[in-house]
This record gives sequence, C-alpha cells and structure tokens, in this order.
Amino acid sequence: SAVISQKPSRDICQRGTSLTIQCQVDSQVTMMFWYRQQPGQSLTLIATANQGSEATYESGFVIDKFPISRPNLTFSTLTVSNMSPEDSSIYLCSVVIASSYNEQFFGPGTRLTVL
Amino acid sequence: GQQVMQIPQYQHVQEGEDFTTYCNSSTTLSNIQWYKQRPGGHPVFLIQLVKSGEVKKQKRLTFQFGEAKKNSSLHITATQTTDVGTYFCAGLSNQFYFGTGTSLTVIP
Repeated sequence: SAVISQKPSRDICQRGTSLTIQCQVDSQVTMMFWYRQQPGQSLTLIATANQGSEATYESGFVIDKFPISRPNLTFSTLTVSNMSPEDSSIYLCSVVIASSYNEQFFGPGTRLTVL
Repeated sequence: GQQVMQIPQYQHVQEGEDFTTYCNSSTTLSNIQWYKQRPGGHPVFLIQLVKSGEVKKQKRLTFQFGEAKKNSSLHITATQTTDVGTYFCAGLSNQFYFGTGTSLTVIP
C-alpha cells in the first residue's frame, strides 16, 4: 500500500487568488494523478502528473488554470489559479505504486472553498 | 466521449437486505476497478477485474465483469451498517474513467 499526504487539508480563499496543493507519497510511484470531486459527485480526472515534464491534461482542463509540477517520483503540486467560486471542490491526488497493478491509492483530499 | 454510468444513483436498504450496483461503459474496457468512499473520506480500492466474465468474491461482496467487458456489477449480500458509502466503478481504457457512483444507505 501507499501512504499519501496532502496539504492543506482545507482552505477558504478569495476569488482571484491562487492556491497550491501538495501531494507527498511514501512509496515508489509509477503514476500520479490529480482529480476533482464536487460534493456528492463522481471524480473527474484533471491531469496526469509526469515526472520532469509537463502534465497531461484532460479535456476541459488547461495548464494556465491548473499548473502541475512533479519534480520527483514521490511529490507533486497542483495550483488552482485565479480562483472563482466554481472552483470550490475537493481536490485529490492519487497514485499507482510500483508493487500494485493499476490500483489507485488516494490522498485524503483538499477541500477548497472560494468566496 | 467515454462515459461510465452507474445505477442506481441512490439506494436505501434495511440492514440484512442485499444490494447491487451496476456499471455500464460506452466503450470496451481493459479492466474495471471498484472503489468505496465513506462519507467524508476518500476512495478506497476494493478490487480489480481484468478478464471477460470474471467473478471475484470478497466475503459478502461479489464482483462481476461482463463478457463484452463493457459492464460490471457489485453485489453485497446481507448488508451491514458498515457498508454505508458511495461505491464507484472505474473503467480503464486509455485512462481511468470513474463511474457516477451509487450511494448506499443502510437502515439499522
């Protein structure tokens, strides 16, 4: 298994500002993802975080709005830029580790509220 | 685009009753995974099915993968209050597509 920590666990932000969320994993990671989950809804994949290169974004998500860094195998950040109330959501990182076969381990999530 | 739908969206059962959620994909999947998310928690992996027609059991939970690898089901026998949560399927084709989820409430 993998232990994943996310910081911050929650935040309340003003519109127009940016928030950077950190994800740290204690295991060797083969893949790392960022998801968004609005209350009572399913998970929507934002992007795949690629080590040392630009993230791969899904339809509807762009780098200018959600810049992602992954400087090494076990750490990644997601920034939510120029926030609006519509960005209020839970943001989760997930990983696939080397000893598993596609099983995703999720972090505890970051609950973001934009006023 | 790729869609993974689950039915029902919500299910209320009396403790001891059975429960089934169904997952349907618009395209063929390489494999299917099931996750459980407790209220206020994050998704936790339950199982992965890879083979066409595969059936796996975990205690009171039975998972099936359809012959065409486009649908799956999760059946819980004799539900308990600890089964409360939202169950998501996640299909893998070129990426993971999470289903819409089924929220299970178990009434003691």
